[in-house]
Amino acid sequence: SQQGEEDPQALSIQEGENATMNCSYKTSINNLQWYRQNSGRGLVHLILIRSNEREKHSGRLRVTLDTSKKSSSLLITASRAADTASYFCATDAEDSNYQLIWGAGTKLIIKP
Amino acid sequence: NAGVMQNPRHLVRRRGQEARLRCSPMKGHSHVYWYRQLPEEGLKFMVYLQKENIIDESGMPKERFSAEFPKEGPSILRIQQVVRGDSAAYFCASSPLSGTSTDTQYFGPGTRLTVL
Repeated sequence: SQQGEEDPQALSIQEGENATMNCSYKTSINNLQWYRQNSGRGLVHLILIRSNEREKHSGRLRVTLDTSKKSSSLLITASRAADTASYFCATDAEDSNYQLIWGAGTKLIIKP
Repeated sequence: NAGVMQNPRHLVRRRGQEARLRCSPMKGHSHVYWYRQLPEEGLKFMVYLQKENIIDESGMPKERFSAEFPKEGPSILRIQQVVRGDSAAYFCASSPLSGTSTDTQYFGPGTRLTVL
């Protein structure tokens, strides 16, 4: 069953603006990961945040996690055309220590 | 260090034929995961394998689908008697460590299967 659900489903912004995507999940988790998928390509791991962490940074990426609301957000600052991609959150499955449960993704378009 | 390799990148089959999808994990990785992605959807876990062992195939349909990861050579996802509903992108990922959800999974470019 689908665990993570991203919103919005699609987001179109101007280059240089910040992009925020959200992910909600249903069960308790140990960690949450964000991945990027360029059109027609495989997925690239961006960042992992553990359940005892509230915020994590990596370059222009900032991820927050609110376990009380069962939600996470991915912020991309100073967006670039190359950030155009689909972004997925994935959480560990409740009854497995290796399965990842994926959301349907947010399609981000950066307009030059 | 080459990344995860999958071939073919695109595969077209007629209904009833067999599809064989190959995945070579990154060098030094002994854990392989297969996922299926339908258009506009996220990935769905299919199977997790280690060398010569299927650890978890709970996401794989019971019939027509099988997977292996032999001691030598790539991991193979095999779909027998394909149907139109099998059309999807199939991704393979590998990880070097013990197979936990905290391991970063490295993805291949995927195989896009089209069943006519």
